[in-house]
Amino acid sequence: GIQVEQSPPDLILQEGANSTLRCNFSDSVNNLQWFHQNPWGQLINLFYIPSGTKQNGRLSATTVATERYSLLYISSSQTTDSGVYFCAVKTLSNFGNEKLTFGTGTRLTIIP
Amino acid sequence: DAGVTQSPTHLIKTRGQHVTLRCSPISGHKSVSWYQQVLGQGPQFIFQYYEKEERGRGNFPDRFSARQFPNYSSELNVNALLLGDSALYLCASSLGPEQYFGPGTRLTVT
Repeated sequence: GIQVEQSPPDLILQEGANSTLRCNFSDSVNNLQWFHQNPWGQLINLFYIPSGTKQNGRLSATTVATERYSLLYISSSQTTDSGVYFCAVKTLSNFGNEKLTFGTGTRLTIIP
Repeated sequence: DAGVTQSPTHLIKTRGQHVTLRCSPISGHKSVSWYQQVLGQGPQFIFQYYEKEERGRGNFPDRFSARQFPNYSSELNVNALLLGDSALYLCASSLGPEQYFGPGTRLTVT
């Protein structure tokens, strides 16, 4: 099956810093989502981005599907950005169902 | 608009027991998927249902089963609970390609 790897696994930053999170995947995909999992376990949708670039406030994301990676940028970090960030993909071969394969996650800690 | 809702929030069961978890999708969403997330890992796909029919099944034993009702809500059933079934169980609903997750049910098996 598809492999989804995220880097770095852990990131500790001072409030106000910028960060880049990376997601590499081993097969062609037709769906890629970025999520933020808060300390209570809730997965919050950040982006649906199978290709191209999107921005939402301090967050932006870019997916280069032909090179099989996606990047999540967080600017001017705030303590509320702390948590685990997951990318999740659906492969072209997974026709007929909506199975998402999640990456290994990046744990982000923002220090005041 | 209400998001995906799940019940109960927390649950403690003993090995060998049976458990039923419930999920209500976002209004208008016809697809419901279930995921299991053990501590320190990403969610793993268990089932997807669309219009009451199973559309996908992950690599889980037959002790796991699910169904979807005419109102598109869904139940996940787990029989003969094992300690390893302790996890956060997440439900997601979708109308198009983007999935939206509920707050999860945290199951502890003792």
